[in-house]
Amino acid sequence: DQQVKQNSPSLSVQEGRISILNCDYTNSMFDYFLWYKKYPAEGPTFLISISSIKDKNEDGRFTVFLNKSAKHLSLHIVPSQPGDSAVYFCAASASFGNEKLTFGTGTRLTIIP
Amino acid sequence: GAVVSQHPSRVICKSGTSVKIECRSLDFQATTMFWYRQFPKQSLMLMATSNEGSKATYEQGVEKDKFLINHASLTLSTLTVTSAHPEDSSFYICSASQSDTQYFGPGTRLTVL
Repeated sequence: DQQVKQNSPSLSVQEGRISILNCDYTNSMFDYFLWYKKYPAEGPTFLISISSIKDKNEDGRFTVFLNKSAKHLSLHIVPSQPGDSAVYFCAASASFGNEKLTFGTGTRLTIIP
Repeated sequence: GAVVSQHPSRVICKSGTSVKIECRSLDFQATTMFWYRQFPKQSLMLMATSNEGSKATYEQGVEKDKFLINHASLTLSTLTVTSAHPEDSSFYICSASQSDTQYFGPGTRLTVL
């Protein structure tokens, strides 16, 4: 049972444009969400997070939006840069801190120069 | 951000042998560390939660006698794959929590011949 889903396995975006990565979840107990970026043969790198009390969190070129009623979150990257090419995972947990993370299946983002 | 290291980064072993993987939080203390496994083109799957000074908590389907976890100090957790078989070949990643965010190590590629 995949509780966190990323339905787009891949996405290609022109450099300078906006990249939008989507994530859906089914478990209503999830209240903290994170996005990670991962290169092959490396561990995930934390990008940005959002708690369920917010609907938006912004950090530089990265913005995460949360629609709790739809159980949907998205990551916006603008402007997209070639170095953003990687696999992006969304993850969810039932509380802050030391609770386990449930990861989505990942979306491979390719930025076209 | 917080730094987590893993050693070794890559290991090849013969079937039936045991392999130990170390996970260290370099600039912070972590009472809880997590061990994940990622098969090719799949998501990260949580194997177990490592608790300093107590027994690890294993996820359903993960054999605790095969994947031995020791969290001897606030900066070190080890995962030992005992009597490794080719199906244990995978990418093993650890993480540690600081300020409500999990930071991941660079991963260990295990190949069992």
